[in-house]
Amino acid sequence: QKEVEQNSGPLSVPEGAIASLNCTYSDRGSQSFFWYRQYSGKSPELIMFIYSNGDKEDGRFTAQLNKASQYVSLLIRDSQPSDSATYLCAHPENNFNKFYFGSGTKLNVKP
Amino acid sequence: NAGVTQTPKFQVLKTGQSMTLQCAQDMNHNSMYWYRQDPGMGLRLIYYSASEGTTDKGEVPNGYNVSRLNKREFSLRLESAAPSQTSVYFCASSEQEDYGYTFGSGTRLTVV
Repeated sequence: QKEVEQNSGPLSVPEGAIASLNCTYSDRGSQSFFWYRQYSGKSPELIMFIYSNGDKEDGRFTAQLNKASQYVSLLIRDSQPSDSATYLCAHPENNFNKFYFGSGTKLNVKP
Repeated sequence: NAGVTQTPKFQVLKTGQSMTLQCAQDMNHNSMYWYRQDPGMGLRLIYYSASEGTTDKGEVPNGYNVSRLNKREFSLRLESAAPSQTSVYFCASSEQEDYGYTFGSGTRLTVV
């Protein structure tokens, strides 16, 4: 079983809608989660991270962590075509020496 | 501020050839990493260096070697390239691991 699982998509949403991206993980000891955005042919860039149960908001982005159910979500409000990219979920090992990445969910926002 | 710089951006090798991928960061980060990214496989860690003078194997180290030349530079060497090493390679660095990575722009390597 992979450490981090994501639906590869593509997830298609119309412009202005809420896009919901999900990630499940196997390590119950995981304390923090990171979301990266990767445009086609480019390198991943960090969007946000979350440490505690509940929601964390940053502009149009909201990360949600549910440790009991072992899933983490990224909501993108008022989706724009420029949000079209692959979104990677990641969490570190307990000693933070390395991260486990999901294979990513491709998001298409249609004008 | 250049961040993380990788060279070359593209490379085509013949099976059995060797090459070194270069990575340098100017953010004074302690930790540096090499990942490969393949379709459907996500990012997989090859080697990492938690601090200058130390290196450790990641998930897929076979066929690779690394050198942490100094705090800024972390190179990845393929001694005898194989078609299975065709991939996109990313170097990354972090100040503190809980702040996430800064990635380089990547090297697209094809082994024929």
